[in-house]
Amino acid sequence: EAGVVQSPRYKIIEKKQPVAFWCNPISGHNTLYWYRQNLGQGPELLIRYENEEAVDDSQLPKDRFSAERLKGVDSTLKIQPAELGDSAVYLCASSLRRGFLNTIYFGEGSWLTVV
Amino acid sequence: KQEVTQIPAALSVPEGENLVLNCSFTDSAIYNLQWFRQDPGKGLTSLLLIQSSQREQTSGRLNASLDKSSGRSTLYIAASQPGDSATYLCAALLQGGSEKLVFGKGTKLTVNP
Repeated sequence: EAGVVQSPRYKIIEKKQPVAFWCNPISGHNTLYWYRQNLGQGPELLIRYENEEAVDDSQLPKDRFSAERLKGVDSTLKIQPAELGDSAVYLCASSLRRGFLNTIYFGEGSWLTVV
Repeated sequence: KQEVTQIPAALSVPEGENLVLNCSFTDSAIYNLQWFRQDPGKGLTSLLLIQSSQREQTSGRLNASLDKSSGRSTLYIAASQPGDSATYLCAALLQGGSEKLVFGKGTKLTVNP
């Protein structure tokens, strides 16, 4: 069974440029998460989807970040414009249903460097 | 606000040693606690999940315990191997509408051959 797939794995952009990350969750997983992990820190939740509905986006910096999950499967996270402080690993994760009953599976992350 | 703390931040042991990683959380209103492993440049791999009603879970050489009342969890690794070298993170899943995983900063483990 394929795991959570993310692309691109690595991205280097100049500040003020846009960037987008794509995630394909495990087949059949209704819940999808985007986390951000800064160097030496644990991941922090940006947004959680139940199917195509964003049920928790309280941590998403809405002035420059946006996300969508069309048809309740793949998801895209966009940053526009990027700032130096956005350099981090962006992790996508999915679970079968709501996470309190099920293991959450993470992708390998998209590593963003803003210069 | 839930805070998750992991001690120590780094640990270096000789191969074959048994070891314990510690995790503490401030709010006992959690659904579960999970332990993850992260290798350099990689994502997170789930190791063990302990539901709030459980006391421990075991998988191979790994054993995780949970004491909600004291806000503590431990990950015990028996007979450590160089391949166990990685960063180990614990995460508490909050109850309530957020159902957010709150992570510690991790313990970086090095097992020396």
